[in-house]
Amino acid sequence: DQQVKQNSPSLSVQEGRISILNCDYTNSMFDYFLWYKKYPAEGPTFLISISSIKDKNEDGRFTVFLNKSAKHLSLHIVPSQPGDSAVYFCAASGTGNNRKLIWGLGTSLAVNP
Amino acid sequence: DAGVIQSPRHEVTEMGQEVTLRCKPISGHNSLFWYRQTMMRGLELLIYFNNNVPIDDSGMPEDRFSAKMPNASFSTLKIQPSEPRDSAVYFCASSLLLAGNTIYFGEGSWLTVV
Repeated sequence: DQQVKQNSPSLSVQEGRISILNCDYTNSMFDYFLWYKKYPAEGPTFLISISSIKDKNEDGRFTVFLNKSAKHLSLHIVPSQPGDSAVYFCAASGTGNNRKLIWGLGTSLAVNP
Repeated sequence: DAGVIQSPRHEVTEMGQEVTLRCKPISGHNSLFWYRQTMMRGLELLIYFNNNVPIDDSGMPEDRFSAKMPNASFSTLKIQPSEPRDSAVYFCASSLLLAGNTIYFGEGSWLTVV
C-alpha cells in the first residue's frame, strides 16, 4: 500500500504559467515532507521541505503548501521555466524511530516553451 | 564540496555474475542509504546505516543482496548472483541525521543484467 501518493504521473504546462504538483499521504504520523527534483541520468536533488508545524514554505519560485487535515501537500512553481522539466518526487517521514523517508512514485513535469 | 560519489556509473553484466556497487558519502554525514529505482516501483529503500551500523534492511529484496559499511566513508552493495530482474538504477544517499531528514543522492549506478 502506497503511503505517499502522487496521482498524476505527468503534467504539461506552458512556460511562464504556474505548475502545481500534488501529493497525498495516509499516515498521520508523518511530520516532515520534502520535494525532490530528478533530471534524467542524475540522482534526485533536494528542492524544498516543510514541517508539519507550518502550512506554507516558500523559496524563490517554489512554494510548498501543507494541508494536514486533508493529508495533502502541493508544490507550486511560478513562473514555470523549461529548465523545470523533470520528475518531481514527494517524500514524507515521521520522527524518532520512524524517520525513514517514504516516497511517492513521481510526477513528470514538462514545461513547454 | 564533493557530493555522494558512486561507482561504477554504468555496469552491464551477465546473469549469475557478482556485482559490487560502491559509494562514498558526503564527508561528515553519518547516515547512508541505498535505494533502487525502477519504473514500476519508483524509489525503493533497500537498506540504511547510521554511524556505519545497519538500521533497517527490510527493503533488501533477497539473500542475494548484501550491503556493508566498513567505515564512515565507504559502503558497498553486492548482488550475488545477479539476475536480469535486478536491472535498475541504484542510488546511494547520505545525510547528517541531526540536520533533519534531507538526504543527498549520488548520481546512481545503472545496472543491466543480461
